[in-house]
Amino acid sequence: DAKTTQPPSMDCAEGRAANLPCNHSTISGNEYVYWYRQIHSQGPQYIIHGLKNNETNEMASLIITEDRKSSTLILPHATLRDTAVYYCIVRPALNAGNMLTFGGGTRLMVKP
Amino acid sequence: GAGVSQTPSNKVTEKGKYVELRCDPISGHTALYWYRQSLGQGPEFLIYFQGTGAADDSGLPNDRFFAVRPEGSVSTLKIQRTERGDSAVYLCASSPRTGNTEAFFGQGTRLTVV
Repeated sequence: DAKTTQPPSMDCAEGRAANLPCNHSTISGNEYVYWYRQIHSQGPQYIIHGLKNNETNEMASLIITEDRKSSTLILPHATLRDTAVYYCIVRPALNAGNMLTFGGGTRLMVKP
Repeated sequence: GAGVSQTPSNKVTEKGKYVELRCDPISGHTALYWYRQSLGQGPEFLIYFQGTGAADDSGLPNDRFFAVRPEGSVSTLKIQRTERGDSAVYLCASSPRTGNTEAFFGQGTRLTVV
């Protein structure tokens, strides 16, 4: 699997947008970008995934650069409950057999 | 509806003992995964089941670790002769067979070997 690089930590003010970057310069053409997050003492939670188009759901937006070498997860209005470790992962999709390879993630701290 | 359930939530055992960790996946999910998470790190893949069979056990660290899923639903992760280095949170996840790329995780079992 392609490796990802994320900043180890970030702060964000409550109510502001949180923009979490991820570099995946060796991503292959058939690999998707996934984002999960892990709130303290809980299991990881799926947020969003995409191939090359930007994606949006009720939780977040995913912006993927045209060359697909990097992406940004956007939480439009961060709340205190969004404090968590955010993992950017690349993997082939449409096959439940492929496990997730987690890196160190970004620890997002949302502050009042 | 019920999510992925893992029991026990916490387990303390003595070095050298045998432990079993249980995972109840979401009903109907045929894919089941075990991960291990050490403090301050991301989860690491251990083993993946598709139905009853282990489709990929490449992440198991050594032969002290074994997992089963005899009826294609509940899975048990078994650790023999536990060592202090086995202390971690053991996470289970499940997903439908195909067409759905989201994995649903349980809360994990925190194993402490003393």
